[in-house]
Parts: sequence; C-alpha cells; structure tokens
Amino acid sequence: SQQGEEDPQALSIQEGENATMNCSYKTSINNLQWYRQNSGRGLVHLILIRSNEREKHSGRLRVTLDTSKKSSSLLITASRAADTASYFCATDEGGTSYGKLTFGQGTILTVHP
Amino acid sequence: KAGVTQTPRYLIKTRGQQVTLSCSPISGHRSVSWYQQTPGQGLQFLFEYFSETQRNKGNFPGRFSGRQFSNSRSEMNVSTLELGDSALYLCASSWTGGVYEQYFGPGTRLTVT
Repeated sequence: SQQGEEDPQALSIQEGENATMNCSYKTSINNLQWYRQNSGRGLVHLILIRSNEREKHSGRLRVTLDTSKKSSSLLITASRAADTASYFCATDEGGTSYGKLTFGQGTILTVHP
Repeated sequence: KAGVTQTPRYLIKTRGQQVTLSCSPISGHRSVSWYQQTPGQGLQFLFEYFSETQRNKGNFPGRFSGRQFSNSRSEMNVSTLELGDSALYLCASSWTGGVYEQYFGPGTRLTVT
C-alpha cells in the first residue's frame, strides 16, 4: 500500500521557475527521502531528512518536514529542462521495518526550455 | 565507487515460466531491498536481505522469493509467472537497511506474455 500521497500529480513549468512538490504520509517515520526517476529507469536519491529535522538543503533542493502534519515538501529552485522527471517521496518507518521504504505515487515534473 | 547493478536489464517470459533476477549492491553495503514498480500499483516493497537473512517481507504471494549470498549479492525469483507480474523490478542497497539512504539500480524490465 502507498503511504505517501503526493501533490500535485503533475506539474508543468518554464525553465528558471521554482517547482514545489508536496508529500503527506500516515504513520510515524524514522526519516523521509526524496527520489527522482527518469523515464522508467532507476531511482536517483536526492535527499534524506530525519524525523528530528525540519529543513534541509542540497544545492538547488530544499526539503521541509512537518511531523505534526505528517507532510513534507520538496522545492527545486531555478529549474532546468534536465529536472524533467518523476519525483517520489519515500518514508522509512524505522523499528522492524528493515529496508522498507513506502513510496508515494509521485509527481511528474515537466520543465519547458 | 560502482553503483548498484542489475542483470538482466530486459526480460521477456511466458506465463507459467519462472525467472531469476540478479542484483549486485554497492561495495560495502550489506542490505539489499527489492521493489516492484507498475503503473497501477506504483512502487511496492518486496523484501529485504541483510547478511544473507531475510529481515522483512512485503505483501506479495509466495511465488516471489529471494536470497542473498555471502558477498551481499542478491537474487529474486518469481515462479509460475502471471501477466500481472510484468513490471520494472528494482533493487536498492544501503549500509544497514534502516537509517541510511537506499541507492537503486537501473532495474530489470520484465514482460510476461
């Protein structure tokens, strides 16, 4: 079952604009990770934020986590055509949930040159 | 450092046959997780192996099985293939399968006819 619900399902923007994707989840988590997938290929890890963190940056990426609302957002600044991909949030519930990430349905981002 | 490798990349099988997929994790990683990705169900966790032991299993029928070798390489097997098994199968490796990021391979695209 999918824990995460991502919003929007699809996002279309122009190069240079910012893209924001949101993710909600249902259970307590150990950490939340964001991944990118190009055209049905493997997933590329973007960033991991732990449950005791509220915000994290990596290059043009900014991730926030609100555990009280069980939600996270991914902001990509100054987007490029190469950012066109599907973006997934994935939660790790910790405990005995070894090696299991629960993925959202993903947001399809299209960046127009 | 070499990434996660999966073989074969593409596979076409007939209903009723069985298939074995292989995954070589990043050197030093001891945890390997397997996922199935379909357009309808998204990314779903199959199982996780750590030090040759299955520690976690998703909600899949017993036709799906796996194993891990002493060098951390892993295989998954699907017996009595069904049309619905057509999917992208992804493996991911991490240090321990819990607190750390998972790094994904390019996937094996299985088509069942």
